[in-house]
Amino acid sequence: SAVISQKPSRDICQRGTSLTIQCQVDSQVTMMFWYRQQPGQSLTLIATANQGSEATYESGFVIDKFPISRPNLTFSTLTVSNMSPEDSSIYLCSVGKGDYGYTFGSGTRLTVV
Amino acid sequence: DAKTTQPTSMDCAEGRAANLPCNHSTISGNEYVYWYRQIHSQGPQYIIHGLKNNETNEMASLIITEDRKSSTLILPHATLRDTAVYYCIVRSRSGGSNYKLTFGKGTLLTVNP
Repeated sequence: SAVISQKPSRDICQRGTSLTIQCQVDSQVTMMFWYRQQPGQSLTLIATANQGSEATYESGFVIDKFPISRPNLTFSTLTVSNMSPEDSSIYLCSVGKGDYGYTFGSGTRLTVV
Repeated sequence: DAKTTQPTSMDCAEGRAANLPCNHSTISGNEYVYWYRQIHSQGPQYIIHGLKNNETNEMASLIITEDRKSSTLILPHATLRDTAVYYCIVRSRSGGSNYKLTFGKGTLLTVNP
């Protein structure tokens, strides 16, 4: 399975600012997935990032709020823009390899004050 | 994706088998059953998956009923480290590793000493 490095592991940010989260994979993958996990909740898919094209966003998530970059097959970033306290969550990236298990990063714990 | 139903929580004594049920009555013929778990403050971890045959690996066994409408994840000798939220997810075979996972609420398994 792939190994994912996600940075930062946690951050405390002021409302109105933006944070960019990085996800680095040790092998090439076609799709990368970004999830949000609000406190005490399950994971919700934000978007799917394909190299060389626009990300595909799930209902309730928009590009202006969560812009995603996918410059190559091993790297992606998610930006949380114009943050409010409601954005306080854990953000996770994920990749799949073949038909087997998907690997998740360790997550970025974001607190907006 | 077919939806899944899991109990909200379960308890298990350390050293005993933990049997976690999942209903997926609307599963279609081309959908896999995946199990993941999330230990507190970590990213989800792949456990096992199957299509219609029972599966076993070093972590667990997966028993899928003949009609495929339900399954059971078995941890044969639960330890305190197995305390986690366990997610049962149904995912289409098409698209391979490019296909997104949709998480439900999962089952909080608490292993007691």
